[in-house]
Amino acid sequence: DQQVKQNSPSLSVQEGRISILNCDYTNSMFDYFLWYKKYPAEGPTFLISISSIKDKNEDGRFTVFLNKSAKHLSLHIVPSQPGDSAVYFCAASLDRDDKIIFGKGTRLHILP
Amino acid sequence: SAVISQKPSRDICQRGTSLTIQCQVDSQVTMMFWYRQQPGQSLTLIATANQGSEATYESGFVIDKFPISRPNLTFSTLTVSNMSPEDSSIYLCSVDIRVTAGGPMETQYFGPGTRLLVL
Repeated sequence: DQQVKQNSPSLSVQEGRISILNCDYTNSMFDYFLWYKKYPAEGPTFLISISSIKDKNEDGRFTVFLNKSAKHLSLHIVPSQPGDSAVYFCAASLDRDDKIIFGKGTRLHILP
Repeated sequence: SAVISQKPSRDICQRGTSLTIQCQVDSQVTMMFWYRQQPGQSLTLIATANQGSEATYESGFVIDKFPISRPNLTFSTLTVSNMSPEDSSIYLCSVDIRVTAGGPMETQYFGPGTRLLVL
């Protein structure tokens, strides 16, 4: 049973526009959420995180939104750049010291 | 998909000793990685385990401290050497799997993790 779901396997966005990556989770006890970015043949690298006490966290072009009532989070990338083309993993854990559970990933293509 | 198992699932070790963590995958995979998640921090990549050659280590990690073996395409080990309390972490093995449904894509599967406490 997937506790962290990324229902879109791929997404294509024009360069300069906003990329929105979505993620749903089933465990209401999750307290900490993360996004990872992965290039081909490399391991995923940490991008941005958010604690359940917040509903928004921003870091440069990247913003993560959390809607706890809907058990939904999203990653916004504005403006999208060619180097953003990668696979993005949504992840969650019960707290910051617990094992992280990853979604299956969404491949983002930034079109010229 | 891939099923990944790790041994041990947890251990408590004394300072100065070494622990070897095993990772077994139920299918042949090209890319295997080892990660560490220290308390209060996010996942950090230690190294890429290469089959038939030396592992590729990330900045801040060295082979003497974290020797890695990859004898075949389904198995790898990570040793945490000369442990100190700062090595207390969850250590995870992960693999890249290429899936073709909806177009070629790499996805990442993680093992269940090994929780290590160093006293």
